[in-house]
Amino acid sequence: NAGVTQTPKFQVLKTGQSMTLQCAQDMNHNSMYWYRQDPGMGLRLIYYSASEGTTDKGEVPNGYNVSRLNKREFSLRLESAAPSQTSVYFCASRTQGSGAFFGQGTRLTVV
Amino acid sequence: RKEVEQDPGPFNVPEGATVAFNCTYSNSASQSFFWYRQDCRKEPKLLMSVYSSGNEDGRFTAQLNRASQYISLLIRDSKLSDSATYLCVVNMGSSNTGKLIFGQGTTLQVKP
Repeated sequence: NAGVTQTPKFQVLKTGQSMTLQCAQDMNHNSMYWYRQDPGMGLRLIYYSASEGTTDKGEVPNGYNVSRLNKREFSLRLESAAPSQTSVYFCASRTQGSGAFFGQGTRLTVV
Repeated sequence: RKEVEQDPGPFNVPEGATVAFNCTYSNSASQSFFWYRQDCRKEPKLLMSVYSSGNEDGRFTAQLNRASQYISLLIRDSKLSDSATYLCVVNMGSSNTGKLIFGQGTTLQVKP
């Protein structure tokens, strides 16, 4: 049972580079989420997609874009990475009314 | 004011102790609430949902107080393996597919 799969697991970028974090779920969930977690802090919502074809901003959307490619996949793009975007990124999915299930995270360092 | 607030702790308790965490939320229309557990450098894992009438799962009890807009988690007979960060999560607003907002987490350290 794969659940929520994130790629890559680790990434180092130089300031100004772009990259896309991939997330896929095989649980037929409607809603998907992207969070970031900085040391000693809880998770902060970047963007979410309540259902296929919709996306909405979360608490900290600046510097990011998302694409809900289909029901399974929800990607997060950094167009011009900054050191402030060094963080652990988590993707999650859920069905209506349930708690969310998380991927194992992507550890991103921007130098 | 943050939408979901928790006391970050840490809570240091001996094995066998009972410990309680509270979490307050700002949106009175919120309908869904959850507690998660997160171990160091791991992804959060769903511990339990919180129902209006309160619910129990083994040594864990979750309660909701809508009037005061807070949820709580009670852990009885603490084990060393309960040491982790506990995160409360609120589905903001009345839609059950909306924003899931996390509190900053409460760290629990259970000592022998």
